[in-house]
Amino acid sequence: DVKVTQSSRYLVKRTGEKVFLECVQDMDHENMFWYRQDPGLGLRLIYFSYDVKMKEKGDIPEGYSVSREKKERFSLILESASTNQTSMYLCASSFLIGVAEKLFFGSGTQLSVL
Amino acid sequence: QKEVEQNSGPLSVPEGAIASLNCTYSDRGSQSFFWYRQYSGKSPELIMFIYSNGDKEDGRFTAQLNKASQYVSLLIRDSQPSDSATYLCAVRGAGGTSYGKLTFGQGTILTVHP
Repeated sequence: DVKVTQSSRYLVKRTGEKVFLECVQDMDHENMFWYRQDPGLGLRLIYFSYDVKMKEKGDIPEGYSVSREKKERFSLILESASTNQTSMYLCASSFLIGVAEKLFFGSGTQLSVL
Repeated sequence: QKEVEQNSGPLSVPEGAIASLNCTYSDRGSQSFFWYRQYSGKSPELIMFIYSNGDKEDGRFTAQLNKASQYVSLLIRDSQPSDSATYLCAVRGAGGTSYGKLTFGQGTILTVHP
């Protein structure tokens, strides 16, 4: 089975802290994604990457950065955490067969910024 | 205008009825469309994928795509209480800066009552 592992299920941080969210996949997938999920807003794409050292901005990249030094690992960085970044963060990886794509999600990290 | 729009519901149907979930999208060049199901407290999982105009059936689920109207729907026949979940529509970008970008709608909450 494909496994996408996020390092923490729950995280509490202070305003202004630098926060690292780690995500590791074990299926050699090319594509990896970071979403945040808020009630009533669905999943919003923060960043995605389709290759090592490649990154593309999603719909809400402000206040975030990412790192993909190895194919299996995609990290999300909150440079200076703010209370409006309190959210559920979901990492996903995917493979493509033609135009078909299946995302495999991690179990999520509920981040609270106080 | 949001890129992918869904009626957030909640949609309530009796057991055994047909549940109809709708989604519209703004990027006319989009080619791949997905339905994900998310149970409360869990991560989304892929249930249907469609890229050609018309219907695609898989068991009790039917996805319908109308590219001219930029509309995709999901029908669930013989709805069961276990179908109660949030259903997320996702659209894959076709090209340019949208290539590889998978955008989700805000999700429709479905409740199937006995």
